[in-house]
Amino acid sequence: QVQLVESGGGVVQPGRSLRLSCAASGFTFTNYGMHWVRQAPGKGLEWVAMIWEDGSNEYFADSVKGRFTISRDDAKNTVYLQMNSLRAEDTAIYFCARDFSDVLMVLDLWGQGTLVTVSS
Amino acid sequence: EIVLTQSPATLSLSPGDRATLSCRASQSIRTYLAWYQQRPGQAPRLLIYDASNRATGIPARFSGSGSGTDFTLTISSLEPEDFAVYYCQQRINWPPLTFGGGTKVEIK
Repeated sequence: QVQLVESGGGVVQPGRSLRLSCAASGFTFTNYGMHWVRQAPGKGLEWVAMIWEDGSNEYFADSVKGRFTISRDDAKNTVYLQMNSLRAEDTAIYFCARDFSDVLMVLDLWGQGTLVTVSS
Repeated sequence: EIVLTQSPATLSLSPGDRATLSCRASQSIRTYLAWYQQRPGQAPRLLIYDASNRATGIPARFSGSGSGTDFTLTISSLEPEDFAVYYCQQRINWPPLTFGGGTKVEIK
């Protein structure tokens, strides 16, 4: 079925790195841009990053710019979020989401999320 | 960056009641507003895009309206599964995409 499944979360020390993965299935992955959105414990949603369907452009929130990168492997139907120099304030559930093909920058399909905890 | 302010923070209602949620933008976003529902422990789900268009599979009791800076999500008659947190999101000016702080609809 049509779904997104995140993985790669866990507990990591401040300053270390972590790579999240999001595996897509049930749809033509190469037709869609992909986003990462995070939610700190008990808080609201914060957009993190987006990559175009052809990988030609990437965009980041100021809070992660220069520390996080986003990439995609179309052969594996997977989008990645490489997180470097992690801080306590990066602790959150990280969701991947699909960009609605009819309407740019609307997120029409979400994964269940993966929890990242940054703590010493 | 466009700031979205949602009100009220919490809405206490009973099943069958009508719910009216508000989202106000710091500047005009025309009709480039989406609404999402997040049930406890679940991922967000797209309800409405471009202010008034229901996403695929969304029941007709959900409706959106507004333009410019003031928007409303209305749930005509609350079902038990509608008690959740609702977020608005703008897409006219990005990056970044921005979300409102959310409105929790709780059982009275």
